[in-house]
Amino acid sequence: QQPVQSPQAVILREGEDAVINCSSSKALYSVHWYRQKHGEAPVFLMILLKGGEQKGHEKISASFNEKKQQSSLYLTASQLSYSGTYFCGTEIDVNAGNNRKLIWGLGTSLAVNP
Amino acid sequence: GAVVSQHPSRVICKSGTSVKIECRSLDFQATTMFWYRQFPKQSLMLMATSNEGSKATYEQGVEKDKFLINHASLTLSTLTVTSAHPEDSSFYICSARIGGGEKLFFGSGTQLSVL
Repeated sequence: QQPVQSPQAVILREGEDAVINCSSSKALYSVHWYRQKHGEAPVFLMILLKGGEQKGHEKISASFNEKKQQSSLYLTASQLSYSGTYFCGTEIDVNAGNNRKLIWGLGTSLAVNP
Repeated sequence: GAVVSQHPSRVICKSGTSVKIECRSLDFQATTMFWYRQFPKQSLMLMATSNEGSKATYEQGVEKDKFLINHASLTLSTLTVTSAHPEDSSFYICSARIGGGEKLFFGSGTQLSVL
């Protein structure tokens, strides 16, 4: 049930782009993206609620392909502050009923160097 | 934005003692709070979901007698690790959801070290 994130880790130079993927074997109601810096709480980036939905937040955007049960996070012209671990959370139905849960991926470690 | 305060941020205790972690929503009422544990370089593992005024729902494999959760008010949930052992050492994080909302607000986490 746990979504698969790829890549596991990525190293960028400042200004480079990156894509982080999140795929699930289950049908998805929504996808959540958070970033966590070492020893700190995860910070909300965005939620995608509908199939095919795309959202943008400055130079960070994401897409959600409901049919493929996938979401991708796009980091454009990366900044040093983008460093951290990115988690996707997938909201799935766990009991073929009205019981939804948010299941987290293992994370993608992103390091942006000067 | 909404703020969730979690205390303490770090605790070191002897094996066999109990530790209480508090999670407070400072400027909103949290109808649902979630407790996670996270091992180094691992994902967030949901331990339990608590709704104000009712018993917490624990995930499979989580001992409810060991990890006591109390959600006595709309702004406070506590997690008590009873008779802590070294294998309980972990990073514990709470999060809250405003009723009807999708977004999660996370506390800053508690690093528990049991000697």
